[in-house]
Amino acid sequence: QVQLVQSGAEVKKPGASVKVSCKVSGYTLTELSMHWVRQAPGKGLEWMGGFDPEDGETIYAQKFQGRVTMTEDTSTDTAYMELSSLRSEDTAVYYCATPQEYSGSYYDYWGQGTLVTVSS
Amino acid sequence: SYVLTQPPSVSVAPGKTARITCGGNNIGSKSVHWYQQKPGQAPVLVIYYDSDRPSGIPERFSGSNSGNTATLTISRVEAGDEADYYCQVWDSSSDHPVVFGGGTKLTVL
Repeated sequence: QVQLVQSGAEVKKPGASVKVSCKVSGYTLTELSMHWVRQAPGKGLEWMGGFDPEDGETIYAQKFQGRVTMTEDTSTDTAYMELSSLRSEDTAVYYCATPQEYSGSYYDYWGQGTLVTVSS
Repeated sequence: SYVLTQPPSVSVAPGKTARITCGGNNIGSKSVHWYQQKPGQAPVLVIYYDSDRPSGIPERFSGSNSGNTATLTISRVEAGDEADYYCQVWDSSSDHPVVFGGGTKLTVL
């Protein structure tokens, strides 16, 4: 059973960066394909990007390209999502999510979410 | 990128059947997955590959997919089923492979 535990809530000013972590237990990070999904207040789920095992690369939604970086520390089984040049519209709950199967197309497991608030 | 369209809301009386649709161009050729999200909680997978149920999900939850519409059906609806429901596909041919529908708020009257 995979468990994903995310870092705590953040408050950032416009223009700053935020880095959210997602600690994996039950599996090793190398056995999983980690993705990140966000949800603005009162809005739906929005895919930001994730590891594509077919290509062996991390792919990002075009909307976030140039502003988002997803990395992994396999020594600690922790995934990270860093979003830069924050603006008020980036206020959202950020989730890490992963299929159980390495090449799965749906998310069996989700972190608890990290609220990022962007406000001056 | 691929677009999935869901009705914003569906209402149903307890004990009745709720049907939540997810529309997309030739969606029947893709695998559709469904998530339930209750307020303040992370989404939970309730249906995968159109009609399969993860362990722990009641048999009251079922899914189908054909043509341009996928459907999540909840039979004998209970108050605890009130939640937002999202459909999702993986479009491997796209540079934006993961697509979610806009979500449907299920209200139990």
